[in-house]
Amino acid sequence: SAVISQKPSRDICQRGTSLTIQCQVDSQVTMMFWYRQQPGQSLTLIATANQGSEATYESGFVIDKFPISRPNLTFSTLTVSNMSPEDSSIYLCSVEDPVGTSTDTQYFGPGTRLTVL
Amino acid sequence: AQSVAQPEDQVNVAEGNPLTVKCTYSVSGNPYLFWYVQYPNRGLQFLLKYITGDNLVKGSYGFEAEFNKSQTSFHLKKPSALVSDSALYFCAVRAINTGKLIFGQGTTLQVKP
Repeated sequence: SAVISQKPSRDICQRGTSLTIQCQVDSQVTMMFWYRQQPGQSLTLIATANQGSEATYESGFVIDKFPISRPNLTFSTLTVSNMSPEDSSIYLCSVEDPVGTSTDTQYFGPGTRLTVL
Repeated sequence: AQSVAQPEDQVNVAEGNPLTVKCTYSVSGNPYLFWYVQYPNRGLQFLLKYITGDNLVKGSYGFEAEFNKSQTSFHLKKPSALVSDSALYFCAVRAINTGKLIFGQGTTLQVKP
């Protein structure tokens, strides 16, 4: 499976600021996703990062709060904007389908642990 | 609506004993079913999946899962638990028509020596 890295691995941020999380894959993939895992909770899909076009957001998530970029088939960023303590979570990217394949399996990065004070 | 239920918040088992972590699902059409494991301060690791074929699927670290269509279940099993299996386990379902992955609430597995 692809090797997925995320930066930063963790951060502590002040209320009202923004943080950009990077997700890098070591091979080209068709699909990239961003999830949020709130403390003690399961994973919730934020959006699908589409290469060369706007991300597709799930209900309850908006572009102004969670802008996403995907400039190519190996990289994506998620920004958490105007943060509040409620945004304290683990943010994970996942990938699916190396280009030219159809695995139907998502593989996850190590996550970014965000604490907002 | 598609959903996944993991009825147990925590499962406790002694090392060497068999373990079962339960999962039931609700989805339109034929489901794709997955198990992931999350160790403390780590991301999710893929364990196994059911797409089609044999109802018993084998995965990483000696885990297996049995797909039961009539009971809409996909329970995770291992014949002999290890202390190192202690972690948080997530069941997930993906509906073919949407492609979205929906996770259960997670079950903490505690294996005691």
